[in-house]
Amino acid sequence: DSGVTQTPKHLITATGQRVTLRCSPRSGDLSVYWYQQSLDQGLQFLIQYYNGEERAKGNILERFSAQQFPDLHSELNLSSLELGDSALYFCASSANSGTPTYEQYFGPGTRLTVT
Amino acid sequence: DAKTTQPNSMESNEEEPVHLPCNHSTISGTDYIHWYRQLPSQGPEYVIHGLTSNVNNRMASLAIAEDRKSSTLILHRATLRDAAVYYCILNNNAGNMLTFGGGTRLMVKP
Repeated sequence: DSGVTQTPKHLITATGQRVTLRCSPRSGDLSVYWYQQSLDQGLQFLIQYYNGEERAKGNILERFSAQQFPDLHSELNLSSLELGDSALYFCASSANSGTPTYEQYFGPGTRLTVT
Repeated sequence: DAKTTQPNSMESNEEEPVHLPCNHSTISGTDYIHWYRQLPSQGPEYVIHGLTSNVNNRMASLAIAEDRKSSTLILHRATLRDAAVYYCILNNNAGNMLTFGGGTRLMVKP
């Protein structure tokens, strides 16, 4: 158990809909990262938040957005869903940011299926 | 970003050592070498990281070549539970985000 929790575990929705994925980082971790894993693209970094502020952006679509709340939990919002958005979405957390030495702890993921 | 090259798959026998290679010929001086693994149906899991010197922890050892253009993750006694995809990742950015490649799928035979 990494200490990172994600809800829901599974989500099935229709094209055009909007969903929210939730992540609670390990106790004390200030950084939260979102990754997408699909069969054709592999694991891709989407976005990072550190102590409530956006810190880095990766291959995140404009239809996707995220935020980190004062209690440090984070939400990833996916809107106007397309079939190609079907994937596993992982959240990870780390103690800090600013150096490449901190390990990341990954949650169990949310499997999103868009029909 | 510097890239890594890993074999697509490897096989090992249970209770034998496993050496997982990674080539990173364009590594820069500030790149840390990280290894993560992903067990079936789970999120990635941190294994080990290093910069220049060899590193040991309870899970594995990391051997880094003197010129840093390659590294090897060593599992001292493979168990069935070690069957996973192992990712070698170079990380030098302040944000600490990880860039995953294809990894090596390790199969462990009983």
